[in-house]
Amino acid sequence: DGGITQSPKYLFRKEGQNVTLSCEQNLNHDAMYWYRQDPGQGLRLIYYSQIVNDFQKGDIAEGYSVSREKKESFPLTVTSAQKNPTAFYLCASSSTINSGNTIYFGEGSWLTVV
Amino acid sequence: AQTVTQSQPEMSVQEAETVTLSCTYDTSESNYYLFWYKQPPSRQMILVIRQEAYKQQNATENRFSVNFQKAAKSFSLKISDSQLGDTAMYFCASDSGNTPLVFGKGTRLSVIA
Repeated sequence: DGGITQSPKYLFRKEGQNVTLSCEQNLNHDAMYWYRQDPGQGLRLIYYSQIVNDFQKGDIAEGYSVSREKKESFPLTVTSAQKNPTAFYLCASSSTINSGNTIYFGEGSWLTVV
Repeated sequence: AQTVTQSQPEMSVQEAETVTLSCTYDTSESNYYLFWYKQPPSRQMILVIRQEAYKQQNATENRFSVNFQKAAKSFSLKISDSQLGDTAMYFCASDSGNTPLVFGKGTRLSVIA
């Protein structure tokens, strides 16, 4: 099946630890995105990538890092510098970043800091 | 910068009735697209409907339709014949140029039997 796969679905992290969320797509899309969702805040953009080996910061990039070494993969690392990482994280992709292209979402990952 | 505002954090509607969710936006671009996404309790984001700003005709998808008022920068979603499966968070979003989607904070809709 074509789509976007995020893993793990649930993740617990101790304070001070880095953690990486995986996102893989087989839609042959050039553009990929990471959004964070908190209650009452909607979806906020963390990072996005228009093409392999390129990515840009979104509105809330502090404490996060990404890489785009392969077209199909866009992992997100939540570092210990992220002060409040507990949230629901959504990965998405679209054929290009050009306006009007439909964005497809993965099923999301829950991260809880314990 | 684009902004999207949803002023109704929560709404409820009786099954089979009609409900309208509000959304206003702001953009300096001349051409842009507007979207409504649905997020049921499973948290999967589902595209409900999209509207191209240069098209005058309001978009319709089965029971879902929009009222696009370009001058007022308003983009409301009307759900007709509401069903229990329509219970979800609804997000309004816009994109323009080469920038990613910008979302509103969402409206939680409850359909009551």
